[in-house]
Amino acid sequence: GAGVSQSPSNKVTEKGKDVELRCDPISGHTALYWYRQSLGQGLEFLIYFQGNSAPDKSGLPSDRFSAERTGGSVSTLTIQRTQQEDSAVYLCASSLKISGLGTGELFFGEGSRLTVL
Amino acid sequence: GESVGLHLPTLSVQEGDNSIINCAYSNSASDYFIWYKQESGKGPQFIIDIRSNMDKRQGQRVTVLLNKTVKHLSLQIAATQPGDSAVYFCAERGLNTDKLIFGTGTRLQVFP
Repeated sequence: GAGVSQSPSNKVTEKGKDVELRCDPISGHTALYWYRQSLGQGLEFLIYFQGNSAPDKSGLPSDRFSAERTGGSVSTLTIQRTQQEDSAVYLCASSLKISGLGTGELFFGEGSRLTVL
Repeated sequence: GESVGLHLPTLSVQEGDNSIINCAYSNSASDYFIWYKQESGKGPQFIIDIRSNMDKRQGQRVTVLLNKTVKHLSLQIAATQPGDSAVYFCAERGLNTDKLIFGTGTRLQVFP
């Protein structure tokens, strides 16, 4: 597709259930990021993938959160045993990495809004 | 859609006036900075970027200024329009990393 695609756009779940959020980045983009945005807050970095390198997981808030990126393209963010404080918009972004310059502009998807009851 | 930035600092300007949105960044080693605009219910959109070897960069109606001495970044919007109403975020990237860290954001409200 032309842009970053995320699904589902909205997800309501019960506390304790597991959820999976999907991100389909722009074709050819080697870098993929996940951010979390709570109501009235900024963007909180979660995890970053670049090519075949080990992901930077330094932003994951707990071991209930995990993410993988298969085949260097689609990524799935999994939240196990969801808690009410996990309620937020989860944003995915992709970017090109330019040798010597690093990644440039991030292209964001519309986000997946998660509500944990 | 959900409103973004209900509790964020707010800048209110009249249509046609110039707007200045400020951002203090944390890492003196950051080498790349970006401004994003986020409208309600949407993902952030790129506005303009600047590398640390520059002090100023201009785009269409927007200018970014970088003061590395005091770790300050600003976004100037000329002739602000109602369509500029949104939440604006600055982001920084540290040296030797591709991780972008975002600031808390500023809501810009434009009145007719």
